Amino acid sequence: QQQVKQSPQSLIVQKGGISIINCAYENTAFDYFPWYQQFPGKGPALLIAIRPDVSEKKEGRFTISFNKSAKQFSLHIMDSQPGDSATYFCAASMDYNQGGKLIFGQGTELSVKP
Amino acid sequence: DAGVTQSPTHLIKTRGQQVTLRCSPKSGHDTVSWYQQALGQGPQFIFQYYEEEERQRGNFPDRFSGHQFPNYSSELNVNALLLGDSALYLCASSPRQGRIQYFGAGTRLSVL
Repeated sequence: QQQVKQSPQSLIVQKGGISIINCAYENTAFDYFPWYQQFPGKGPALLIAIRPDVSEKKEGRFTISFNKSAKQFSLHIMDSQPGDSATYFCAASMDYNQGGKLIFGQGTELSVKP
Repeated sequence: DAGVTQSPTHLIKTRGQQVTLRCSPKSGHDTVSWYQQALGQGPQFIFQYYEEEERQRGNFPDRFSGHQFPNYSSELNVNALLLGDSALYLCASSPRQGRIQYFGAGTRLSVL
């Protein structure tokens, strides 16, 4: 019930294409859903985050779509660039009084080909 | 403004040894969380410190312990190291009740 399931495990996209990564969760107490980007040898960096009262959030080329009834959310990277090649993690957390710890998905290794 | 800093960057230990990892949170942050990231996996929550106390703990044995100092910096200690403890150890900081956690670059621990 504490798990976040992420797919696909790896993704290859051509430059200019759309990258789509999906996540699903079970615990309806989760109320904060961030996406992190991690380059080799670096720590995860926050990319974009959403709360369940919003169905979509867009920041530049990155968009989160959220489906509360299906308990699923996804990251779309528009006009993917080789510099976007990294590992992406979705995560979920409950409010601080219920824990606040981040539960991460398994990660998606994205490769954008020039 | 320095972000989250961790030391050392890399560490090699042998089975049975003990290790201490250090973390300085981002300026203005008072809550520190530690995560273990095995190769090819997502980070897994170890524990969180606030006001120098362990506030919550993940599913890790007592060999993993920590400390937070008055200046909000933190240490992660692992006793009786096992081969399976080899991983990237990440520190994240946040303001009290803040939802955004900022991560350091991590300490790569190799247990031989």
